[in-house]
Order: sequence, then C-alpha cells, then structure tokens
Amino acid sequence: LAKTTQPISMDSYEGQEVNITCSHNNIATNDYITWYQQFPSQGPRFIIQGYKTKVTNEVASLFIPADRKSSTLSLPRVSLSDTAVYYCLVGAENTGFQKLVFGTGTRLLVSP
Amino acid sequence: DTAVSQTPKYLVTQMGNDKSIKCEQNLGHDTMYWYKQDSKKFLKIMFSYNNKELIINETVPNRFSPKSPDKAHLNLHINSLELGDSAVYFCASSQETAGGYGYTFGSGTRLTVV
Repeated sequence: LAKTTQPISMDSYEGQEVNITCSHNNIATNDYITWYQQFPSQGPRFIIQGYKTKVTNEVASLFIPADRKSSTLSLPRVSLSDTAVYYCLVGAENTGFQKLVFGTGTRLLVSP
Repeated sequence: DTAVSQTPKYLVTQMGNDKSIKCEQNLGHDTMYWYKQDSKKFLKIMFSYNNKELIINETVPNRFSPKSPDKAHLNLHINSLELGDSAVYFCASSQETAGGYGYTFGSGTRLTVV
C-alpha cells in the first residue's frame, strides 16, 4: 500500500488560495490519488480524484506531476466553511478502493 | 434520500453490554465498509463486504461481528462492550468499478462506553 505524508495542519485566511501537498513516493502504476474532506461530526466527503496532470472540479483542483510521487490539492478563495481535515489517499480504482488507508490528514483552519 | 444512512447517531451504553449499529445505502454500490475513528481522529478500516461476502477483516476483535443481509445493508454488532470501544463508527460504500468517486460515507455513530 502506498503511504501518504501530508502536513498535520495549515492556517489560512478567507479569500486566500490554499495548497495542500501530499507525498506518495511508493505510488503504484494503477493507483489513483483521491482527496477527502471531513468536517467535525461528519463522515469524510469525496472532493476530487486524479491519475496524472491536472483535474479541476467546482470545489478544487488537483495537480499531479509527471512522476506522480506527490500531489497538490488547491482550494481557491477559501471561506470559513472550508475549515476541515483534508485526507490524501492512494489506491487502485479497479479494486473498488477496498484497501484505501487514511493517514493523519491535514487540519485546515480558515480565519476571518 | 440519504445515500448512506446509519443508526443510531449517538449510543451511550455500559461496559459489558451488547449493541448494534445499522447501515443502509441506496446507491446500488457493491461494497460496504465499517471504519472506526478514535479519539485521535485516526480513521481505520474494520470490515469490508462485497455483495454480502466478507472480504476484509482488519484484525478486529471477534466481539465485533458484521452482518450483511443484502448488499444494501451492513450492520455491526458488538458484544461485551469495553471502554476502548468508545469511538465514532462510520459506514461507507463504494462501487467495484467506482468510476472515480471512491467512498461515500455515512454521518457516523458516536459510541460512548461508560
């Protein structure tokens, strides 16, 4: 299983762009990179997933360099409601992600 | 029309009791899971069922017994509850060929053993 490493915590202010980087040096060829968001007292929620290059949706962008050993979740213009824990996971789509392992996550605090 | 629903949301019980948590998903997913999130917020997989068959059992004490009557339901029964079982338990589901959307989680059951 590919292990992931991400910062324990980050602080930001409303309106700023936040970039959270995750290292996954042992990523396998068929692994996808997925990011989840967890608010207090709620289950994790899927944000974005990618395999290589760049993926963008209405919530975030995911940048993956050519070697795929890291990835960066970019949250444009954060608001107070983006305060949450963000998890980076690496796993294989063709196994239904059955062996996804959640790391410690990055606790993002957005202040006014 | 909640995608993954689990009940109860809160459960307070005494040591030694037996309790159950229920989970249902209406997404048509093939695979369901139970995760445990402890006080340090680590989220660890406990069990995974695919089409009612157990496929992952991550060294969980046999006091924990999952049961899947059909692929839309995965219940968790816990015997002889201990203080260390206090945690938030999350049910989740995924599709074998997820098409890029990974897991869908329920809102959790906070279990407190006193």
